[in-house]
Amino acid sequence: GEDVEQSLFLSVREGDSSVINCTYTDSSSTYLYWYKQEPGAGLQLLTYIFSNMDMKQDQRLTVLLNKKDKHLSLRIADTQTGDSAIYFCAESKGDSSYKLIFGSGTRLLVRP
Amino acid sequence: GAVVSQHPSRVICKSGTSVKIECRSLDFQATTMFWYRQFPKQSLMLMATSNEGSKATYEQGVEKDKFLINHASLTLSTLTVTSAHPEDSSFYICSARESGGSSGNTIYFGEGSWLTVV
Repeated sequence: GEDVEQSLFLSVREGDSSVINCTYTDSSSTYLYWYKQEPGAGLQLLTYIFSNMDMKQDQRLTVLLNKKDKHLSLRIADTQTGDSAIYFCAESKGDSSYKLIFGSGTRLLVRP
Repeated sequence: GAVVSQHPSRVICKSGTSVKIECRSLDFQATTMFWYRQFPKQSLMLMATSNEGSKATYEQGVEKDKFLINHASLTLSTLTVTSAHPEDSSFYICSARESGGSSGNTIYFGEGSWLTVV
């Protein structure tokens, strides 16, 4: 099965909070990441969390990590139309390769 | 912040020809670079890990003779798609890890290169 899984689509109203979920399988992952991709563009690193943390907040973004359940979430407060994009979670493999394994991506649509 | 540049951003080539895509770290040294491929509306698939001065490590199912990777310097890795076919049309993205970096934010992505084979 897939190493990293995400739901495919999320639609929210502007001003609401968005929560994007991700599950991973490698318990030895050291870092977990959230990237944003707009149409036709590359990846923008939004935030990352070290595996020994359970929460990280950065302005409108809050990352929660449940290591026991291998569950990662990204909460976007006060979601704006400019937040509409595809959001990928990624895990850094627990070896020395520094490879990132990406989820399938969640397409976030923010309705006015 | 650190910048990774890819060139060209878009390229169209004829079937059977070869095309080279460059990935450069502009303001840092990158011992390791990664090449990904992304099909429309799909995730990124890791193709290979490129290590400066040594042979690239390819992921299972990726043809090393078709996707030639060269990492001749600490700031440049190239991906050459040889004898391209229409099914090779895709979005290719590279990333670079800053040498000596140990924290989580030392992997930087390029803007990607669109390859269309006609």
